[in-house]
Amino acid sequence: EAGVAQSPRYKIIEKRQSVAFWCNPISGHATLYWYQQILGQGPKLLIQFQNNGVVDDSQLPKDRFSAERLKGVDSTLKIQPAKLEDSAVYLCASSLDRTGAEQFFGPGTRLTVL
Amino acid sequence: EDKVVQSPLSLVVHEGDTVTLNCSYEVTNFRSLLWYKQEKKAPTFLFMLTSSGIEKKSGRLSSILDKKELFSILNITATQTGDSAVYLCAVGVKVGAQKLVFGQGTRLTINP
Repeated sequence: EAGVAQSPRYKIIEKRQSVAFWCNPISGHATLYWYQQILGQGPKLLIQFQNNGVVDDSQLPKDRFSAERLKGVDSTLKIQPAKLEDSAVYLCASSLDRTGAEQFFGPGTRLTVL
Repeated sequence: EDKVVQSPLSLVVHEGDTVTLNCSYEVTNFRSLLWYKQEKKAPTFLFMLTSSGIEKKSGRLSSILDKKELFSILNITATQTGDSAVYLCAVGVKVGAQKLVFGQGTRLTINP
């Protein structure tokens, strides 16, 4: 069974630039999550999708971050414009159902904002 | 605000030692407690606990949950260098949808 795929693996940008990350969850997984993990901290949930609908985006900085999952499969997370404090690893995870009991994580994208 | 606290933040031991990692939580609408191992980037699932006092085991790893005192421990016996990783504790909470709240992690280093 293929795992959660993410791209790119690494991205370096300057502040005020835009960046987008892509995630393809495990086939058949209805729920998709985007997390931000700052160095030395645990992952923090940014947004959770159930199929193509948002169920929780309470911690997403909506002035600069946006995410979509148009067909209920893969998803993109965008930052526009980026700030220095956005430097982090962005993890995508998926689970079979919305209980989120067992989430499978992708390899993450390491973003460095200079 | 939901909070998950892990201790210690960092631990260095010798191969063969036994270690105990701690996770305490203060959350509303508790549903489950999960342990993950993070070596490079992607956390990998270890255990999910929902009931107090029932130990879950997988090889040299075991974990137990105390819902009265609001904590869990992860034990690793006969540690090996391959156990070196960050161990993350996450609590499943249900506020509308269910989500995971992570602790900051314990960085475990096993020296040969």
